[in-house]
Amino acid sequence: AQSVTQPDIHITVSEGASLELRCNYSYGATPYLFWYVQSPGQGLQLLLKYFSGDTLVQGIKGFEAEFKRSQSSFNLRKPSVHWSDAAEYFCAGGGGGADGLTFGKGTHLIIQP
Amino acid sequence: KAGVTQTPRYLIKTRGQQVTLSCSPISGHRSVSWYQQTPGQGLQFLFEYFSETQRNKGNFPGRFSGRQFSNSRSEMNVSTLELGDSALYLCASSLANEKLFFGSGTQLSVL
Repeated sequence: AQSVTQPDIHITVSEGASLELRCNYSYGATPYLFWYVQSPGQGLQLLLKYFSGDTLVQGIKGFEAEFKRSQSSFNLRKPSVHWSDAAEYFCAGGGGGADGLTFGKGTHLIIQP
Repeated sequence: KAGVTQTPRYLIKTRGQQVTLSCSPISGHRSVSWYQQTPGQGLQFLFEYFSETQRNKGNFPGRFSGRQFSNSRSEMNVSTLELGDSALYLCASSLANEKLFFGSGTQLSVL
């Protein structure tokens, strides 16, 4: 069965420090992979996506993610976080076409001053 | 370009009632998907419509249904509401169901 796992429920990072949010997937083939961010009471905003090609993907707001087939991972990174990055982050995977996305449970990012 | 619009923003219903939620996709997008978000289960796929046809459905009971109109607007309906149906219902539109654009959601509370 397809699955996406985010091992960390909460992550606390100091403002200005680097960030890495983990995501592991389990799919029969290489899935389409996404990272979304959700602020309280809001919908989801796409940060970046991986379909194929270059395994290092650049997204909005200074985020990037690296697809590693050998580790079945698609971790999200940012070199220096800002207080406004505090939110819920979701990793998602899909087979494309009419398949719905499978979301991880999310990682709640807390930024310390 | 206007984003995905969901109405109403908040809804309070009682058990046994039914509810209809509306979603207007981004202009030109023909695919509309619905997701349920709860603290316990996270985000779960409900169904996806493309050109008025349901192409895929998640693992939800038949009380959850939807439709899409010729202008790509979509509605989802939940009949015989249960307490466990309380959730944030998110609609997403896309050109080709790969890059989803989400609305702000409808927060449904069932009392």
